[in-house]
Amino acid sequence: DIVMTQTPLSSPVTLGQPASISCRSSQSLVHNDGNTYLSWLHQRPGQPPRLLIYMISNRFSGVPDRFSGSGAGTDFTLRISRVEAEDVGVYYCMQTTQAPLTFGGGTKVEIK
Amino acid sequence: EVQLVESGGDLVQPGRSLRLSCAASGFSFDDYAMHWVRQAPGKGLEWVAGVSWHGTLIYYADSVKGRFTISRDNAKNSLYLQMNSLGAEDTAFYYCAKDVASGGWCTGLDRWGQGTLVTVSS
Repeated sequence: DIVMTQTPLSSPVTLGQPASISCRSSQSLVHNDGNTYLSWLHQRPGQPPRLLIYMISNRFSGVPDRFSGSGAGTDFTLRISRVEAEDVGVYYCMQTTQAPLTFGGGTKVEIK
Repeated sequence: EVQLVESGGDLVQPGRSLRLSCAASGFSFDDYAMHWVRQAPGKGLEWVAGVSWHGTLIYYADSVKGRFTISRDNAKNSLYLQMNSLGAEDTAFYYCAKDVASGGWCTGLDRWGQGTLVTVSS
């Protein structure tokens, strides 16, 4: 199984400042079809997760452009250019290149 | 509007069975792969099982293989999860989720239901 490791576990951020979360996979996420199936999701307390980014850098419909994804192979990053209050919660990376699908352990973003 | 509504969660004793359902609306259900993801209270996300749009490609997490069965009825726009031999480790919120891309296996999970709670306890 592909293991997804996120850092940091927790990230206190100042409103209006940038934030970034790293995700590393135990093996390459490049699929046989040439695509890399790495997603980022955000979950607020008491709510289901919501998709932010898929295939490394594709922002899902309605996701603000302050969110961006980058990376390749085994190393990926989610960046928030200017953190807003609604961005608090837990962020997960997820690989869907190979079954079983696996998630990172989550990064909790909170406001300082 | 895309909607996914899970049902069937309950308090059950260890060793018993439960069947979860997910009613889908607002999109062409038979064009998309569907998945079950669970989350134990206060814990992270764990993928459980997924089924392709045509129902012929199915995968399970090792933790549920041989005990859980995912299925779909495209005529009823519904996804199911039959759970047998339940144990305390299966206690979690169970979410159904839809693939972002049609015709594939899992490009990303773009729509999630609100979840249904399964509690396994004597």
